[in-house]
Amino acid sequence: KAGVTQTPRYLIKTRGQQVTLSCSPISGHRSVSWYQQTPGQGLQFLFEYFSETQRNKGNFPGRFSGRQFSNSRSEMNVSTLELGDSALYLCASSFTGADSPLHFGNGTRLTVT
Amino acid sequence: QKEVEQDPGPLSVPEGAIVSLNCTYSNSAFQYFMWYRQYSRKGPELLMYTYSSGNKEDGRFTAQVDKSSKYISLFIRDSQPSDSATYLCAMSAGGGSEKLVFGKGTKLTVNP
Repeated sequence: KAGVTQTPRYLIKTRGQQVTLSCSPISGHRSVSWYQQTPGQGLQFLFEYFSETQRNKGNFPGRFSGRQFSNSRSEMNVSTLELGDSALYLCASSFTGADSPLHFGNGTRLTVT
Repeated sequence: QKEVEQDPGPLSVPEGAIVSLNCTYSNSAFQYFMWYRQYSRKGPELLMYTYSSGNKEDGRFTAQVDKSSKYISLFIRDSQPSDSATYLCAMSAGGGSEKLVFGKGTKLTVNP
């Protein structure tokens, strides 16, 4: 069974630009979550989607948004990029999202210059 | 006080040693406890998943949860150089809330 797939693996963007990251969950998983990982803050929860609806949201500004499609694939978007947005963005999927373990992809490394 | 505290290490042990990794937490609502292993340039890989208090064993790995002390542990027996990675504890209240709260991770090196 294929794991969680994230594209692209690496991105370099300039301040003020916007970026879209993509995630394909494990087949059959309907919940997709996004996390930001930085050396200083560790892993922080961004949001979770289930059946195309955002079910939970972390404490990030509105520049961070996401969506989920009917095939459970998900995208997250960051607008007006700031230097502090440089991080590893991780997508995770689970069967239902409720009380089932998360399985992570290898992430997208975003560098903002 | 952070919700989840984890000693960042680094921790260096000889091959074959027993490794003990720990996390403490403050939120008594946490019911689901996980350990993830993360290799460099990779995403976290789920090692152990436990509910409530007690022990769970899987091969060389044992996870312990003590909810009364708000303390969780991961033990690695007969450690191998391939165990060298960062180990992250994570926990959630469950019940449909998929927000995991992570420790910052402990970097482990197992020396041959």
